[in-house]
Amino acid sequence: EIVLTQSPGTLSLSPGERATLSCRASPSITSNSLAWYQHKPGQAPRLLIYAASTRATGIPDRFSGSGSGTDFSLTISRLEPEDFAVYYCQQSGDSPPYTFGQGTKLEIK
Amino acid sequence: QVQLQESGPGLVKPSQTLSLTCTVSGGSISNGHYYWTWIRQPAGKGLEWIGRIYRSGSTNYKSSLKSRVTISIDTSKNQFSLNLRSVTAADTAVYYCARVGFGYSSGSYYYYMDVWGKGTTVTVS
Repeated sequence: EIVLTQSPGTLSLSPGERATLSCRASPSITSNSLAWYQHKPGQAPRLLIYAASTRATGIPDRFSGSGSGTDFSLTISRLEPEDFAVYYCQQSGDSPPYTFGQGTKLEIK
Repeated sequence: QVQLQESGPGLVKPSQTLSLTCTVSGGSISNGHYYWTWIRQPAGKGLEWIGRIYRSGSTNYKSSLKSRVTISIDTSKNQFSLNLRSVTAADTAVYYCARVGFGYSSGSYYYYMDVWGKGTTVTVS
């Protein structure tokens, strides 16, 4: 089973700043089968990025994903107040199980 | 627009069976472009994938839950369901159902959950 480790655990930034969230896979993901989700309390998770770098429908272009193999990242170019939430990466591979990282909490500084 | 809604008891006694249903509206569960999945989140913890089902009834489960889980599909009702047997307090969580899209790139498949239900809290006590 592929284990995803996200860092940092908590990221404290101000609106307008740039955020970079990391997701490391072990062992490596042989395809680009990595997705990112935003999760706010009391709400359903929201798909942001799939196939490592493809933005989901309706997602603003300030969100971008990159990476391959073992190292992936989600970048929010300029933080808006509504972006503060918990972010999860998720891998799928060619077949299940799907696994999630433990999450990065993006909080207002 | 497709929407998913979980339903079922919010309280289950230890050793009993947790049963939840996800009703799909705005689209057909028989659409071959998607799988359907269950995910849970214990309080204060991260997301945990439980299993998935295809329109044909083909299933895959997380290995550590496989002996206790059954996911089924009812295309006539546009619903899929989760049964988790012999529950303990460790199964207390918010349970989400979700739609799984997939694609093919660079020689392999990728999967992602693009539509989620709002989640339902299940307490084992």
